[in-house]
Amino acid sequence: SQKIEQNSEALNIQEGKTATLTCNYTNYSPAYLQWYRQDPGRGPVFLLLIRENEKEKRKERLKVTFDTTLKQSLFHITASQPADSATYLCALYSSASKIIFGSGTRLSIRP
Amino acid sequence: GAGVSQTPSNKVTEKGKYVELRCDPISGHTALYWYRQSLGQGPEFLIYFQGTGAADDSGLPNDRFFAVRPEGSVSTLKIQRTERGDSAVYLCASSFRSGSLYNEQFFGPGTRLTVL
Repeated sequence: SQKIEQNSEALNIQEGKTATLTCNYTNYSPAYLQWYRQDPGRGPVFLLLIRENEKEKRKERLKVTFDTTLKQSLFHITASQPADSATYLCALYSSASKIIFGSGTRLSIRP
Repeated sequence: GAGVSQTPSNKVTEKGKYVELRCDPISGHTALYWYRQSLGQGPEFLIYFQGTGAADDSGLPNDRFFAVRPEGSVSTLKIQRTERGDSAVYLCASSFRSGSLYNEQFFGPGTRLTVL
């Protein structure tokens, strides 16, 4: 069956370090992948999109990689700040409606 | 401009009752999605509208769940004979161009449904 796995444990990072979150998937061939941020009591907020033919995408302190051979995406936050603390979700798309979200990774940045 | 809004923000109901959850998408967005999110999980796809029609309702768990979007804007998710297992946060999202694979989805804050 189709499955998405994100870091199962919460991630605790010292401020200023790089946080790396993992998204692995099986039995799925996504056309593209998105990363969202979700704060408690709020809906997810879009961060980055990467297509299947792209290896890497950057936006300010954020970087996403997409390896369709390994079936894995990595999400990096460089120079992390306490304000980056949130849950980060990856979502795989193969069509306009076939969308699967991972369960998310809770990231905490300590000062 | 205004984002996606959902009402009510919280709904507590008794088992067996009927509930309606409302979503107001961003003006001009033709695609609208409903998701359900349980604690510690990611959003689970329920239904996708393209304009007024339900383009994909394969995520609706059973026939107690139904959604409409009669004028291609506001959508209502309807749940009949609610069960305790329906308790979750129901999220709505909209995007600008329907049918495109690459649209960013804008999410509302969700409605927290509790079935006692």
